[in-house]
Amino acid sequence: DGGITQSPKYLFRKEGQNVTLSCEQNLNHDAMYWYRQDPGQGLRLIYYSQIVNDFQKGDIAEGYSVSREKKESFPLTVTSAQKNPTAFYLCASTLGWESDTQYFGPGTRLTVL
Amino acid sequence: DAKTTQPNSMESNEEEPVHLPCNHSTISGTDYIHWYRQLPSQGPEYVIHGLTSNVNNRMASLAIAEDRKSSTLILHRATLRDAAVYYCILRDENTDKLIFGTGTRLQVFP
Repeated sequence: DGGITQSPKYLFRKEGQNVTLSCEQNLNHDAMYWYRQDPGQGLRLIYYSQIVNDFQKGDIAEGYSVSREKKESFPLTVTSAQKNPTAFYLCASTLGWESDTQYFGPGTRLTVL
Repeated sequence: DAKTTQPNSMESNEEEPVHLPCNHSTISGTDYIHWYRQLPSQGPEYVIHGLTSNVNNRMASLAIAEDRKSSTLILHRATLRDAAVYYCILRDENTDKLIFGTGTRLQVFP
């Protein structure tokens, strides 16, 4: 089945450690996105990529980094510079940059101890 | 970016229609109106979108006011599986960003 996978579903890290969240899609979508969601809040855009080897900062990129070396993969690294990393992280993709529908993965809940 | 305003929560009984309102008084001519819903601990799911005309799909209907300053998502017969947070979102055609607010939490009672 086609879709977006994020792993792991739950992730625990010690403060000061970098951690990389995985996002893979087999939908042959060009554009991919990373969002952060805090309890009771909406989603905020961290980074997005319109095409392989290209990505742009979203609204809250500080403390995060991404890469887009392959069309199907868009990993997000939460660095130690991110002051409040505990959150629910969601990856999404669209067929093209101007496509109307975003398809979301199941999310990764990161807890920094 | 244009903003949307939604009620924090709404309730419905199973099998009844549900009308979820959204105000977007600062909408521009190029903003599409999107609705997504999110079940607990899951990623959001696309529901429907429109620009000016009313839209129908297998999940819901979208009624857009003539002045486009408000819209209503209509679930024709609510089921327990429709209990979720519903987000009304404006997508700027130029920037293509989706700005998620806090949404409306819909509770459905048997």
